[in-house]
Amino acid sequence: EAGVAQSPRYKIIEKRQSVAFWCNPISGHATLYWYQQILGQGPKLLIQFQNNGVVDDSQLPKDRFSAERLKGVDSTLKIQPAKLEDSAVYLCASSGWDRHSGANVLTFGAGSRLTVL
Amino acid sequence: SQQGEEDPQALSIQEGENATMNCSYKTSINNLQWYRQNSGRGLVHLILIRSNEREKHSGRLRVTLDTSKKSSSLLITASRAADTASYFCATGNAGNNRKLIWGLGTSLAVNP
Repeated sequence: EAGVAQSPRYKIIEKRQSVAFWCNPISGHATLYWYQQILGQGPKLLIQFQNNGVVDDSQLPKDRFSAERLKGVDSTLKIQPAKLEDSAVYLCASSGWDRHSGANVLTFGAGSRLTVL
Repeated sequence: SQQGEEDPQALSIQEGENATMNCSYKTSINNLQWYRQNSGRGLVHLILIRSNEREKHSGRLRVTLDTSKKSSSLLITASRAADTASYFCATGNAGNNRKLIWGLGTSLAVNP
């Protein structure tokens, strides 16, 4: 099966500019996640969608970050305006329920690396 | 918020040696998962252990879970240079199976 697709892979912008990332999850996966990963740290959940509804966005800086998942498939994450501290890799993941293990197993995309100058 | 705490933060071994990484967590869990991240790439799921399991094997991987100590270990036997990566544990909490709580990771370097 095809994996989770993300674009762009790399983006360099100046502070106060805007940027958008796109994610296409694995077909049939109802749950989609956006994570922020700063160099040397673990992933930090920004937002979680179940179909096209938001399940958790408690750590999303809503004054500058927004995300949507129209039609419950593709998703975009936008940052406007960007700050220096937003430099990170933005990872998209999707998951389906694994009946054997009774758990949610995530499949990640390769990530979008953002550098804010 | 991060729940899992892996140790050591960094580990350097020679090819052929075994590598052991540990993960501790704070709350009740439904399952614990280990993921690998190669440099510049996304995370890849390695193995999952349920809260009612104590040990699980997959190829050269062995995972143990001690719910009384709220800890898990990942053992990679006969390591290879290709095992060089960061390893993260993630817990699925008993109250919300669709949300994973992530640790900060262990950086493993396997020297040829």
